Amino acid sequence: GQNIDQPTEMTATEGAIVQINCTYQTSGFNGLFWYQQHAGEAPTFLSYNVLDGLEEKGRFSSFLSRSKGYSYLLLKELQMKDSASYLCAVRDWVQLTFGSGTQLTVLP
Amino acid sequence: DGGITQSPKYLFRKEGQNVTLSCEQNLNHDAMYWYRQDPGQGLRLIYYSQIVNDFQKGDIAEGYSVSREKKESFPLTVTSAQKNPTAFYLCASTRDRVHSYNEQFFGPGTRLTVL
Repeated sequence: GQNIDQPTEMTATEGAIVQINCTYQTSGFNGLFWYQQHAGEAPTFLSYNVLDGLEEKGRFSSFLSRSKGYSYLLLKELQMKDSASYLCAVRDWVQLTFGSGTQLTVLP
Repeated sequence: DGGITQSPKYLFRKEGQNVTLSCEQNLNHDAMYWYRQDPGQGLRLIYYSQIVNDFQKGDIAEGYSVSREKKESFPLTVTSAQKNPTAFYLCASTRDRVHSYNEQFFGPGTRLTVL
């Protein structure tokens, strides 16, 4: 099975940088995803990592270390619209298992 | 526009009644999934289907049933045996089950409230 841990809540200021961590223990690993979910809406895909290292996509970057069972999502130049829940999800050979999500609040 | 449709967005039912949530996709995706989300929690997998006429139980299948008679459609029935059915239900699909990089696309969700 999978066990995924991420902080429940984080707060940051508009224009700042925030790092959301995710640690996992898995029986099989076939990639790690980050999703953004605004309240009452469906999750939307942000990033995918399967090899160690950093993937950059505009203001968002995601890092993976498979040996440490660790990933982080880095959000730069925070905007108010970035206030949302960020879900870490790990894929084994069959299914995707989600963490409980980190609720990020961006303050003016 | 290609995408996943779930209807209705809000659904109310009396306790003891079965209810079926619809999920339709026109993305030509092979694999489809049903998740349940409770307040402040992540998504938990109920059922998934990797191909037509085949489906597998997820982590919390008890009290739910599904069918996959067509590639485009994967309806979920919440039965009276489900003890706490009030939740936000999300349907998702991926292009295929083989390639791990395929992200899941989600429908808008159905919020079910059992009175």
